[in-house]
Amino acid sequence: DAKTTQPNSMESNEEEPVHLPCNHSTISGTDYIHWYRQLPSQGPEYVIHGLTSNVNNRMASLAIAEDRKSSTLILHRATLRDAAVYYCILRDTYSGAGSYQLTFGKGTKLSVIP
Amino acid sequence: NAGVTQTPKFRVLKTGQSMTLLCAQDMNHEYMYWYRQDPGMGLRLIHYSVGEGTTAKGEVPDGYNVSRLKKQNFLLGLESAAPSQTSVYFCASSYWRGGHDEQFFGPGTRLTVL
Repeated sequence: DAKTTQPNSMESNEEEPVHLPCNHSTISGTDYIHWYRQLPSQGPEYVIHGLTSNVNNRMASLAIAEDRKSSTLILHRATLRDAAVYYCILRDTYSGAGSYQLTFGKGTKLSVIP
Repeated sequence: NAGVTQTPKFRVLKTGQSMTLLCAQDMNHEYMYWYRQDPGMGLRLIHYSVGEGTTAKGEVPDGYNVSRLKKQNFLLGLESAAPSQTSVYFCASSYWRGGHDEQFFGPGTRLTVL
């Protein structure tokens, strides 16, 4: 499986935008880029996913580099509730049984300063 | 909707004891998963199921068994608990649509094996 590289931790001030980077230089053409986050003492929750084009939803935006070797999760206005570990995950949904799992790395721990 | 629920929330076992963790979902999802999360680490897939009556091994299946007798329930069993199985266990369920699934996670079960 292609691997992802994320910073261990980041800080942001409340109500400011946050850009969480993810490098995936060995991404394959059929790998989707998924982001999940895990709030303290909770299970992970889905944030957003994309393949080639930038994506927006109510939680965040996903900016994907033209060569797809990196991507950035954008939280437009960080709130205290956004303090969590953010996981960038590649998922090849065409590879059969092995595609069912989400392969979590260590993620980026985001701290939000009031 | 309750979403994904897990029973129990906490459990302490002695080495060699057995137990069953119950996961229930009310979203009519076909797919269900069991993950474990060790301190400071990402989640790793133990077993998964693509439908009622089916199960398959994930990344770390040794020492665990699973059953999916009803679509809404996915049971994880430990026949002879070991200290290495001390972890937080998360259940998830999902549906697939358009080559993508969004996994919904339960709140977790914190298991300590002495």
